[in-house]
Order: sequence, then structure tokens, then C-alpha cells
Amino acid sequence: SQQGEEDPQALSIQEGENATMNCSYKTSINNLQWYRQNSGRGLVHLILIRSNEREKHSGRLRVTLDTSKKSSSLLITASRAADTASYFCATPPDSLFGNEKLTFGTGTRLTIIP
Amino acid sequence: NAGVTQTPKFRVLKTGQSMTLLCAQDMNHEYMYWYRQDPGMGLRLIHYSVGEGTTAKGEVPDGYNVSRLKKQNFLLGLESAAPSQTSVYFCASSIRRAGAGANVLTFGAGSRLTVL
Repeated sequence: SQQGEEDPQALSIQEGENATMNCSYKTSINNLQWYRQNSGRGLVHLILIRSNEREKHSGRLRVTLDTSKKSSSLLITASRAADTASYFCATPPDSLFGNEKLTFGTGTRLTIIP
Repeated sequence: NAGVTQTPKFRVLKTGQSMTLLCAQDMNHEYMYWYRQDPGMGLRLIHYSVGEGTTAKGEVPDGYNVSRLKKQNFLLGLESAAPSQTSVYFCASSIRRAGAGANVLTFGAGSRLTVL
């Protein structure tokens, strides 16, 4: 069963706009990660946020984590055509054991319209 | 630095045939994984390995076998392929993190398998 679920499933925005996608998960975690997948390619790690962090930035990416709501959001600012991809959140199965495994959500398909 | 390399990239099989997907990593990573990706299902973990000579079942292990005879290689085998195994398969690897350390995966480009 999936630990994380992304919302929305698909998102289309104009180039230059901001894109926000959300991830909800089920059990306690000690970290949450976001990955990007371009069409026909493997996943690429974007950013990691730990359970004791509320917000993290990396370039045009901003990730927030709300452990009380078991949710995270990924914001991409000033979107570019190259940001067109699927975005996945990933979590370990629980906070104590099994950190060697990651469970992925079903992803948000982001399309940037030039 | 090649990272994670998967072979073959594409393969078409008939029902009942067998095949092996090879994953090789040159980053000296301890952990290796096989995932499958199907439309609307995201990525699901098939098997994984936390070190040479070890393997463990993931979420969807039935119909697959794996071996990790060398640290840099992780093989995924289909003994008798079924149409339900038509999918895109991804290999990934990561270093071992002590305690509650986070596990960041490096993925291969994928292997697209079609079973007729």
C-alpha cells in the first residue's frame, strides 16, 4: 500500500506561474523526500525535509512539512518549460524501522504551458 | 561516472519465457532496489538488498527473484513471465545511513518490459 498520496494528480500552469503540489502520508516519519521524473527517465532526487523541520528551500523549490496533518507541499516558483515532469513524494515506512526502504506516491503530473 | 545502469532498456517476451534484468552501480552503494512503475500506481518496491549476498522482499515480490552476488550488481529475474509483469522497471541504489538517517536514492533510466 502507498504511504504517500500526491494531490492533484495533474496540474497545468502557464510558464512563470507558481506550481504547488501536495503529499499526504499515513504513518509517522522521520523524513520526507521529493523526486522528479521527466518523461521516459528515471527519478531524480530534489529535496529532503526532516520531521523536525517545517520548511526548506532549494533554488526555486520550497518544501513544507506539517507532521500534525501528515502532509507536505512542494512549491515551484517562476515555473519554466523544463519543469514539466511528474513529481513524487517518498517516505520511509515508519519512523523507527525500515529506513532502508522508501515508499513512493502515485505522483503529480505537472505541465508548464509556454 | 555512470551512476546506475540498467540493461536491457527494452525487451519483449512471450508468456512463460524467462529473463534477467541487470542493474549495475559504480558508486559503491550498499543498498540496491528494484521498483516497478505502472500507470496510476506509482512506484512499487519489488525486492531490495542491504548488502552483498542479502536480499529482502518488498511490496510486490511474487513472480520475481533477485540476487546480489556482487556489491555493484543487482539482478532481477522473471522465471515465467506473465502479461501482468508488463511494466517499466527501475533499479535504484543508495548509501547506508546509520540509525534514522535518510535514504536518498539514485535511479537508473528504466527498463521497459512487455509480456505478450
